[in-house]
Amino acid sequence: AQSVTQPDIHITVSEGASLELRCNYSYGATPYLFWYVQSPGQGLQLLLKYFSGDTLVQGIKGFEAEFKRSQSSFNLRKPSVHWSDAAEYFCAVGGGGATNKLIFGTGTLLAVQP
Amino acid sequence: DGGITQSPKYLFRKEGQNVTLSCEQNLNHDAMYWYRQDPGQGLRLIYYSQIVNDFQKGDIAEGYSVSREKKESFPLTVTSAQKNPTAFYLCASTFKGVGTTDTQYFGPGTRLTVL
Repeated sequence: AQSVTQPDIHITVSEGASLELRCNYSYGATPYLFWYVQSPGQGLQLLLKYFSGDTLVQGIKGFEAEFKRSQSSFNLRKPSVHWSDAAEYFCAVGGGGATNKLIFGTGTLLAVQP
Repeated sequence: DGGITQSPKYLFRKEGQNVTLSCEQNLNHDAMYWYRQDPGQGLRLIYYSQIVNDFQKGDIAEGYSVSREKKESFPLTVTSAQKNPTAFYLCASTFKGVGTTDTQYFGPGTRLTVL
């Protein structure tokens, strides 16, 4: 079955500390992978995406993610967190095809301590 | 500016009433999607449409209906048959809806509350 797992429901980090949010997927074909961020009461904003090529992907706001096929993972990282990064983060996987459907994880809520 | 608009931002409904949520995009995107978001459950696909006058059920279509009469518009009706409609509803769209996975872009959402 196709699925996305974000094992951390809630993470708290100190401002300036590094961050890694985990994402594992189960997908039968070559996956297309996405990270989105959502502020409270808002829509989702795309942080970065991986379709092919270099497995280390750079995104907006200083985020990056690394695709590891052998581990079925696509973890999101940031070297130094800012208070404005506090939000909920969603990992998603898709495979193209006729429907363009995405499967979303349940999200990780990030809190940033001063 | 190009983008996706959803209206209203907040919507209150009495039990037994149908309500329609608006989603409009001026991105010239082919495909449009409706998701429902509940706390701790991520996003679940309700309906999607790849082309005008065509749409397919997603994972949780029961109690919902849609139409796609124009490329720019994909309204969602929450009917009285939906047993638990209180949720945050998100509309998304993507270019090249057939045969590729292109990025889905999201609107700001509508929060529906049943009183």
